[in-house]
Amino acid sequence: DGGITQSPKYLFRKEGQNVTLSCEQNLNHDAMYWYRQDPGQGLRLIYYSQIVNDFQKGDIAEGYSVSREKKESFPLTVTSAQKNPTAFYLCASSASVVGAGANVLTFGAGSRLTVL
Amino acid sequence: QKEVEQNSGPLSVPEGAIASLNCTYSDRVSQSFFWYRQYSGKSPELIMSIYSNGDKEDGRFTAQLNKASQYVSLLIRDSQPSDSATYLCAFKAAGNKLTFGGGTRVLVKP
Repeated sequence: DGGITQSPKYLFRKEGQNVTLSCEQNLNHDAMYWYRQDPGQGLRLIYYSQIVNDFQKGDIAEGYSVSREKKESFPLTVTSAQKNPTAFYLCASSASVVGAGANVLTFGAGSRLTVL
Repeated sequence: QKEVEQNSGPLSVPEGAIASLNCTYSDRVSQSFFWYRQYSGKSPELIMSIYSNGDKEDGRFTAQLNKASQYVSLLIRDSQPSDSATYLCAFKAAGNKLTFGGGTRVLVKP
């Protein structure tokens, strides 16, 4: 079955540590996204990528970094510079960033990060 | 002013009634609007998209768009307990990025 796999589902880290969240898709989608969701809040865009080896900052990119070395993979690193990293992180993909293919996002199951 | 405004709820409706959710947005250029449903602890799933003024019906769901007044709404007819979830409004903003509202929590009581 095609879909998006995020891992780990739950992650606990100490303050000051970098953590990397994995996102893999087998949908052959060009575009991939990372969103952050805080309790009772909507989704806020961290980074997105339209094509391999290219990515753009979203609305809250500070303290995060990404890479897109393969079409299927878009890992997110939460660095120690991120002031309040505890949140639910959602990876998504779409067939493209522009046009009709950009209108439907497929989401992974999410990764819940808690910083102790 | 937030780009997308939704009443956080909870919106409590009895089973079988109509649930009415509203969303206002600030970007006059937006052409594409979406409703996502998110169950607690799960990821969002797209339930409706609407691109032109008027109503769009899909099963028990009806989306209504009024670009002049900059609002989009979602009606859920014959509400079921399984409809209890948070409903996120989203629109396609500049740069083709989706901008989400904070969501409205709906509780359908048997």
